[in-house]
Amino acid sequence: AQSVTQPDIHITVSEGASLELRCNYSYGATPYLFWYVQSPGQGLQLLLKYFSGDTLVQGIKGFEAEFKRSQSSFNLRKPSVHWSDAAEYFCAVGPRRTGANNLFFGTGTRLTVIP
Amino acid sequence: SQTIHQWPATLVQPVGSPLSLECTVEGTSNPNLYWYRQAAGRGLQLLFYSVGIGQISSEVPQNLSASRPQDRQFILSSKKLLLSDSGFYLCAWSVTTGTHYGYTFGSGTRLTVV
Repeated sequence: AQSVTQPDIHITVSEGASLELRCNYSYGATPYLFWYVQSPGQGLQLLLKYFSGDTLVQGIKGFEAEFKRSQSSFNLRKPSVHWSDAAEYFCAVGPRRTGANNLFFGTGTRLTVIP
Repeated sequence: SQTIHQWPATLVQPVGSPLSLECTVEGTSNPNLYWYRQAAGRGLQLLFYSVGIGQISSEVPQNLSASRPQDRQFILSSKKLLLSDSGFYLCAWSVTTGTHYGYTFGSGTRLTVV
């Protein structure tokens, strides 16, 4: 069965510190992987996605994520966090081919940034 | 380019009143459409999805219903709201065929039932 685990419900980091948000997945085939960000009171915005090729993918707002097949992980990183990065982050996994209702989301990690 | 619109942005409704939330997509044809709900401090809960006009799949039986009267229009409704219907409602769309590019979300509707 497909599932996505984000083990950290809430993370607090200082502005300027580095960040890593964890995502582990269970998927029967080679997955497509996504990270979304949700600012308070807003919809979800796609940060980055991994389809194939280089396992380190770059996204918007200075974020990157690394796909590790052996660990079934797709962790999100940022070298230096800005106060505006405070938001909820969702990891998602889906198949290579689109279809209906086949993108599975984690429960999210809330990021708090302290000055 | 494709855009997705949701309205209203915020809504305060009394218990027992009806509800209608609308979502429209522009710039694409025959999208898959989704309604999600987020309760306070909770993750995403899929409520309904649609693969075409008049085709609705319900993921969670409850006080809500959905309709798709036009290809790019998705409506979430209720005849009588409950307090537990409060939450943040998100509409999303995805392409129907080809490579999976994920979902594109609207900006959401904050519903408070009082």
